[in-house]
Amino acid sequence: DGGITQSPKYLFRKEGQNVTLSCEQNLNHDAMYWYRQDPGQGLRLIYYSQIVNDFQKGDIAEGYSVSREKKESFPLTVTSAQKNPTAFYLCASSRRQGVVDTQYFGPGTRLTVL
Amino acid sequence: ELKVEQNPLFLSMQEGKNYTIYCNYSTTSDRLYWYRQDPGKSLESLFVLLSNGAVKQEGRLMASLDTKARLSTLHITAAVHDLSATYFCAVDARMNYGGATNKLIFGTGTLLAVQP
Repeated sequence: DGGITQSPKYLFRKEGQNVTLSCEQNLNHDAMYWYRQDPGQGLRLIYYSQIVNDFQKGDIAEGYSVSREKKESFPLTVTSAQKNPTAFYLCASSRRQGVVDTQYFGPGTRLTVL
Repeated sequence: ELKVEQNPLFLSMQEGKNYTIYCNYSTTSDRLYWYRQDPGKSLESLFVLLSNGAVKQEGRLMASLDTKARLSTLHITAAVHDLSATYFCAVDARMNYGGATNKLIFGTGTLLAVQP
C-alpha cells in the first residue's frame, strides 16, 4: 500500500534533548512538508522540500532542522533551541498532478516535553 | 501576509439539520483545499477548488469557491453523527510567496459536533 508513515507515534523528550521524527513516503512524491499543530489551532509550516538535497524554511523554522538525502525520507529534528516543542507534528507530501498539488498527510507524531 | 479565517470555530448541530462553514482569506489565491481531521488523527483531503465559481460535492458535503470575494464555503446537508470532526480550509499561498511548491496556509479549523 502506498502512503506516508511517521514514527514514533508518541515521543517524550526531556528538556535540553534533541529528538528526531521520522517521515517516509512511498508515493514517489517530489515535495515533502513538516507541520506543527497545537491544540485547537490550525497547522503551521515548519520546513518544506521540493527536491532531494534542497529544503526551505517555513513560518516557524526556529529550533528545528531537516535533511532530504533521499526522495522517500524527510526527517525532522527538534533541537533544544525549540523552547515549546510539545505539539502534534504532521508530515505531508505532494506530487504535481496537472495543476492540482494536493498534500497527503501522515498519521502524525505527538511530542511531549517532560 | 496571507491570513485565513474560519467561522464558526465550533458548531454543534442536530442530526438532519443543514449548516455552512465559512473560510475567508486575505490575499489573492487560485486554489483552496478542504480537509477533515478526526480527533487525534491525521488530515484527510476532502476537496480541491481551483477556479472562481468551482463547486464540488461528496455525499452530504458541498464546497464552493468565490475568488473575487476570497471566500469558500463548506455546506453540510442533513447532518449525521459520522460527520463529527474538525474541518480545515487551506489556501495555496504560492502567489504571495513565489516558488513552485504549494505552500498552504491553514485556517484554525471548525470543530463540528453532530448531536443525535
